[in-house]
Amino acid sequence: AQRVTQPEKLLSVFKGAPVELKCNYSYSGSPELFWYVQYSRQRLQLLLRHISRESIKGFTADLNKGETSFHLKKPFAQEEDSAMYYCALTGHSNTGKLIFGQGTTLQVKP
Amino acid sequence: EAQVTQNPRYLITVTGKKLTVTCSQNMNHEYMSWYRQDPGLGLRQIYYSMNVEVTDKGDVPEGYKVSRKEKRNFPLILESPSPNQTSLYFCASSSRATGNTEAFFGQGTRLTVV
Repeated sequence: AQRVTQPEKLLSVFKGAPVELKCNYSYSGSPELFWYVQYSRQRLQLLLRHISRESIKGFTADLNKGETSFHLKKPFAQEEDSAMYYCALTGHSNTGKLIFGQGTTLQVKP
Repeated sequence: EAQVTQNPRYLITVTGKKLTVTCSQNMNHEYMSWYRQDPGLGLRQIYYSMNVEVTDKGDVPEGYKVSRKEKRNFPLILESPSPNQTSLYFCASSSRATGNTEAFFGQGTRLTVV
């Protein structure tokens, strides 16, 4: 079954601390993985995708096919990073269907 | 500006009174979908459409209907709303072009059914 799991509902860290938001997936094939972010009172927006291998706002995520994980990391958290983060995947069939995890709320304290 | 527009943003209605939430995109995307967002459950897909006149059920379709008569519009219809449909709803669109599958989301519609 296709599934995305984010084990933490809430992650609370202090400003300047490292952040790792966990994401594991289950998919029989080669999925495309994404991280979406939802800031307070704003719409969801794409943060990054694994095929781009880029760093956005200091965040990176590496696809580990052996562990079926796509954890989101940032070495030094900022208060403006506080938001809800969703991990999502879409299948290789390119139907456009996105499967989301349950979401993790990141709270960065001053 | 490329965007997905939902209306209304907020809606309070009574049980059983039919309502429609509109969604429109200006990016010529083939794929559109509706999600509901509930605490602890994340985003769950209600219905999706891969192109005009092609729609299919998502994970939680009960109590909802959709139509896709034009490429840009994908309304969500609640024929007889019930309190368990109180939620935050998002419409999204994306292209089917390979390597360009980013989903664009609307601002959300907060629906309360009393």
